[in-house]
Amino acid sequence: KQEVTQIPAALSVPEGENLVLNCSFTDSAIYNLQWFRQDPGKGLTSLLLIQSSQREQTSGRLNASLDKSSGRSTLYIAASQPGDSATYLCAAYNNNDMRFGAGTRLTVKP
Amino acid sequence: NAGVTQTPKFRILKIGQSMTLQCAQDMNHNYMYWYRQDPGMGLKLIYYSVGAGITDKGEVPNGYNVSRSTTEDFPLRLELAAPSQTSVYFCASNGGTGVYNEQFFGPGTRLTVL
Repeated sequence: KQEVTQIPAALSVPEGENLVLNCSFTDSAIYNLQWFRQDPGKGLTSLLLIQSSQREQTSGRLNASLDKSSGRSTLYIAASQPGDSATYLCAAYNNNDMRFGAGTRLTVKP
Repeated sequence: NAGVTQTPKFRILKIGQSMTLQCAQDMNHNYMYWYRQDPGMGLKLIYYSVGAGITDKGEVPNGYNVSRSTTEDFPLRLELAAPSQTSVYFCASNGGTGVYNEQFFGPGTRLTVL
């Protein structure tokens, strides 16, 4: 059974800092891995999806990487801004099974 | 496009009551999902559907039922509400060729069972 872990549970950084969020998974036979952003009391917004054949995906200041052999994905946020404050979740998709991490709550201080 | 919509936004139920959570999407997506999110936890898959008339269980299906009579709608039914079903429920859809393609989420329904 796939297990997805995100450490740390919470992270606080000053504005302008580059940061990395971590996502670990136990079953490397994944199809895709997706990163989401969740604002308080809101639904999930898709940020990036990495297919199993890819190593990374980029969108603006975000870069997500995938290393299946080590069971790890990272989300890199460049030049963080207060508007980036949210909870970031990752989800690993195996065949007919989707498992989410509990998320990392990010606070970017002005 | 409205994307994925969910109604109601909030609901309080008494133990033993029944209700249906509505989910609709206007993107002509074949794949639809229901998740629940408990405080401080990740989402857990309740049921999913790969197209009209086809549904399958996820990780936590007990206490819930679904149907998919049209491509657009995927309602979730709670028959005998229990306090353990207090949670935020999210519906999602994907327009790809497999259940594991990029998912798009609705705003959620916050359910409290007292």
